[in-house]
Amino acid sequence: QVQLVESGGGVVQPGESLRLSCAASGFIFRNYGMHWVRQAPGKGLEWVTVIGDDGSVTYYADSVKGRFAISRDNSKNTLYLDMNSLRLEDTAVYYCAKEFAHGDHRFDYWGQGTLVTVSS
Amino acid sequence: QPVVTQPPSASASLGASVTLTCTLSSGYSNYKVDWYHQRPGEGPRFVMRVGTGGIVGSKGDGISDRFSVLGSGLNRYLTIKNIQEEDEGDYHCGADIGSGSNFIVFGGGTKLTVL
Repeated sequence: QVQLVESGGGVVQPGESLRLSCAASGFIFRNYGMHWVRQAPGKGLEWVTVIGDDGSVTYYADSVKGRFAISRDNSKNTLYLDMNSLRLEDTAVYYCAKEFAHGDHRFDYWGQGTLVTVSS
Repeated sequence: QPVVTQPPSASASLGASVTLTCTLSSGYSNYKVDWYHQRPGEGPRFVMRVGTGGIVGSKGDGISDRFSVLGSGLNRYLTIKNIQEEDEGDYHCGADIGSGSNFIVFGGGTKLTVL
């Protein structure tokens, strides 16, 4: 069965960096675009970034552009999110999500999330 | 910049029906919306996609026949019939813009309480 397991969350101070990972299994990882979506405490979902199946195409929300970088290692079935210059407003649970199919941006599977807390 | 709006809360009695609404901003009447259900402490779960013609594609894995969708103008509706306790939680809708910095635009979510 499809599994997405996020890790790497924690408590950091403003301006610091953090790397999140998402380990994928149960499907052919290299064939699917992958996304990060976050949810601030008590708030709705916010799309963060996407990477194409071969890693050549990426898009970012304006709120993280220039600070966050998405990448993937298809040989390790792992998705990454490098977060730099973290701000208080980046505090959220971060989910990785799998696209339904190539170019189909329905998210058919999500991880359980990893909490990032930015606090001074 | 597209905007997606959802009422913050809804409630329904056990066994009743409820319709949740997701409203797109002007100019986006042709866009499809995805509905997700999220229980406390869990990641979201895909319910189904809806356009102006109704459901697009298939429902998510294990989604009951009690769930259905409609689309009209700027509104996308999710109806749940014969509500059960397990239907409680947050329902999020997301518009598939498909490119740029607004790749997916989510509404604020509707918290459904089963009475």
